[in-house]
Amino acid sequence: GQNIDQPTEMTATEGAIVQINCTYQTSGFNGLFWYQQHAGEAPTFLSYNVLDGLEEKGRFSSFLSRSKGYSYLLLKELQMKDSASYLCAVIDSNYQLIWGAGTKLIIKP
Amino acid sequence: NAGVTQTPKFRILKIGQSMTLQCTQDMNHNYMYWYRQDPGMGLKLIYYSVGAGITDKGEVPNGYNVSRSTTEDFPLRLELAAPSQTSVYFCASSYTRDRVETQYFGPGTRLLVL
Repeated sequence: GQNIDQPTEMTATEGAIVQINCTYQTSGFNGLFWYQQHAGEAPTFLSYNVLDGLEEKGRFSSFLSRSKGYSYLLLKELQMKDSASYLCAVIDSNYQLIWGAGTKLIIKP
Repeated sequence: NAGVTQTPKFRILKIGQSMTLQCTQDMNHNYMYWYRQDPGMGLKLIYYSVGAGITDKGEVPNGYNVSRSTTEDFPLRLELAAPSQTSVYFCASSYTRDRVETQYFGPGTRLLVL
């Protein structure tokens, strides 16, 4: 079966750095997305990785290792507005998006 | 552009009732999707469409039906609502299913079946 694993919940302090991990086992791989979802709202696109390595976009960076079936989202200089769930999603060989359950990130002052 | 819009925002149904969740996009996207998201869970694909007149089942299609008569609209029909269908429903669209294409989501419809 296809599976995506993320921690259920993480807590971090405002101004700090946090890394949210995602491991996946899917039938094929055509890319990995990270989405942000604030409570009660729709998911919004954060990043996309298809090649190994680090993609940096402002305070957010996303890393991919295809050989390890592993990705992480790195958030720097945390702000209170970063409190949200972060969803990892993998595109399989049929171009279907397989979604993880999400990691709820709680930011404390 | 309004993007992806969904109506209603919230609805309470009694067991056995039927309803249609509306979804419209104004980005001329070919691909449209319906997901459900249960509390603490990821998104599950119900149905998707690759263009007007073409629809296909996703991971959890039972209890639902869809149609795609125009590029813009992709309604989701619930027949004989059951408590297990209590969830948040998201409609999404994308121009293609190419791997570099992101999906754009509507604000969601919260459905409670009692």
